[in-house]
Amino acid sequence: DVVMTQSPLSLPVTLGQPASISCRSSRSPVHSNGNIYLSWFQQRPGQSPRRLIYEVSRRDSGVPDRFSGSGSGTDFTLRISRVEAEDVGVYYCMQGIHWPPTFGQGTKVEMK
Amino acid sequence: EVQLVESGGGLVQPGGSLTLSCEVSGLTFSDHYMSWVRQAPGRGLEWVAKITPDGSRKSYVDSLRGRFVVSRDNTKNSLYLQMDSLRVEDTAVYYCARDFWFSCDYWGQGALVIVSS
Repeated sequence: DVVMTQSPLSLPVTLGQPASISCRSSRSPVHSNGNIYLSWFQQRPGQSPRRLIYEVSRRDSGVPDRFSGSGSGTDFTLRISRVEAEDVGVYYCMQGIHWPPTFGQGTKVEMK
Repeated sequence: EVQLVESGGGLVQPGGSLTLSCEVSGLTFSDHYMSWVRQAPGRGLEWVAKITPDGSRKSYVDSLRGRFVVSRDNTKNSLYLQMDSLRVEDTAVYYCARDFWFSCDYWGQGALVIVSS
């Protein structure tokens, strides 16, 4: 299986400050069509996962523009430009192109 | 508004069986791949199974093949997960999700399955 490795696993953040999470894939999630199927999910406490970003950098409808995704090959990053209180939760990266789809271990974002 | 609503979770003894259902509304169910993803208590997300729009092809994570069966009824806009020979380690919240271009954009609220004696 493709291993998705996130860092850090715990991220204390300060309101209004930027934050970033890294994700490394053991195999590039690139399709033969050239697209890279790497997604980011947010899971707030007690809630279902919510997709924020798909295909590396495309933001889902309703996702604040303070969230952005970037990367290529096997290295990807989720950035929050200015952290807000509602951003507390666990964030997962996921590759969907190689079976089975696999998630990173999760990064817990919490307020300092 | 797209909604996915799971049901059928509960407490089951080791070795027992359980079938989860997921009713989908707000989209043309028969057009879409669907998946089950689970999350053990305090743990991360794990893919379980995926099914094609017409139900003809099913894929499973290796560790579950043979015990779990995914199916769908497009006339009822419903997805199912039949789980047999359940083990304590199958205890988890099971989510159904729409699988669209190698990612899941819509998720249900989850169904809790507890396997315990």
